[in-house]
Amino acid sequence: NAGVMQNPRHLVRRRGQEARLRCSPMKGHSHVYWYRQLPEEGLKFMVYLQKENIIDESGMPKERFSAEFPKEGPSILRIQQVVRGDSAAYFCASSLPGGSANTGELFFGEGSRLTVL
Amino acid sequence: SQKIEQNSEALNIQEGKTATLTCNYTNYSPAYLQWYRQDPGRGPVFLLLIRENEKEKRKERLKVTFDTTLKQSLFHITASQPADSATYLCAHTGRRALTFGSGTRLQVQP
Repeated sequence: NAGVMQNPRHLVRRRGQEARLRCSPMKGHSHVYWYRQLPEEGLKFMVYLQKENIIDESGMPKERFSAEFPKEGPSILRIQQVVRGDSAAYFCASSLPGGSANTGELFFGEGSRLTVL
Repeated sequence: SQKIEQNSEALNIQEGKTATLTCNYTNYSPAYLQWYRQDPGRGPVFLLLIRENEKEKRKERLKVTFDTTLKQSLFHITASQPADSATYLCAHTGRRALTFGSGTRLQVQP
């Protein structure tokens, strides 16, 4: 009865490299959300996806960041050409069909902590 | 623009007392508010959801109120314990996903 699984838990990259963060939602959940949390700050919404669809990417930086949730496999948040300001904890959450936020709770993973040297 | 705000200053209380955390919202009327707990280095965990037509919701030692006139939700932990020390986040329905406040850190002293 696994919860939301994120990997890697910790990732170190040098400036200019690419970071790929993976998220497997809870069983039966078809909605995935990515949030970013800077040290001592709140969670900032980035993107909301269903299988093979991006529903809302209003919180995603326009450049270097992309997300996908393919028909098979985990959701992936990809950051190209990382910069030091990308250092943060990236949390994935999932919810039941019908969407998060209207009535249902979000189930969060333990996060992926990206450090950019 | 829609805003959800929490007191960013940490709240320090003695064990056994009631902790009260505040969440204020402006420029909109959310249909639901949710409260989450986050421990250091961990993901947030859902605690309670309260609807706009509910004045109060309880779960064990937790109580949440929703005052649409004051545009405020209060989160209470009665008989607080050191294990309750964590950051507590309120969240509301954004356009399509939950939008979180910045959280209030609670420290319960033994």
